[in-house]
Amino acid sequence: GNSVTQMEGPVTLSEEAFLTINCTYTATGYPSLFWYVQYPGEGLQLLLKATKADDKGSNKGFEATYRKETTSFHLEKGSVQVSDSAVYFCALSGDTGGFKTIFGAGTRLFVKA
Amino acid sequence: NAGVTQTPKFQVLKTGQSMTLQCAQDMNHEYMSWYRQDPGMGLRLIHYSVGAGITDQGEVPNGYNVSRSTTEDFPLRLLSAAPSQTSVYFCASMSAISEAFFGQGTRLTVV
Repeated sequence: GNSVTQMEGPVTLSEEAFLTINCTYTATGYPSLFWYVQYPGEGLQLLLKATKADDKGSNKGFEATYRKETTSFHLEKGSVQVSDSAVYFCALSGDTGGFKTIFGAGTRLFVKA
Repeated sequence: NAGVTQTPKFQVLKTGQSMTLQCAQDMNHEYMSWYRQDPGMGLRLIHYSVGAGITDQGEVPNGYNVSRSTTEDFPLRLLSAAPSQTSVYFCASMSAISEAFFGQGTRLTVV
């Protein structure tokens, strides 16, 4: 079945450091890929998405490129801020499972001032 | 625009009690789902619905029931609460382009 694997956390960075959170997926068809972010005490909210191979999703300085050849969707940001501290979830949807969304385990990011 | 509204935000139950977690959305989405979030396990799908009158089981359905009488509402019922159901529960609805919108969550403790 479909699955999503993302790097374990927590990830601790200093402000202005470069961020990469790795995500790989397994799917039989052509899913859409997503990154969601969860701030403390809140639900998940969409950060960015890509719907087909080689698409790049971007939002708030975060980027991720849909790589079909490596089945990856790594999240990157060039310069993190304290306000980026949160839990980040990689997810896929829209494959042969229809609307069902499969989430990775989440990666907690701490950014120190 | 309210989006997805979940109630209550916090709940403590005794083992064996039943309760219903409420979820409502005002975006006219056909697809809705319930997840539970446990430390280190991400989100696991409990039940989902592709439209009014249609529900199906997800990954971890045991001990939970759902119904979908209207497009807006998708309540989750715990039949006989157990400590293993202590978790944070999220309701989500999905747009036609597969973007999920989440409620703020219900933190449930079963003692």
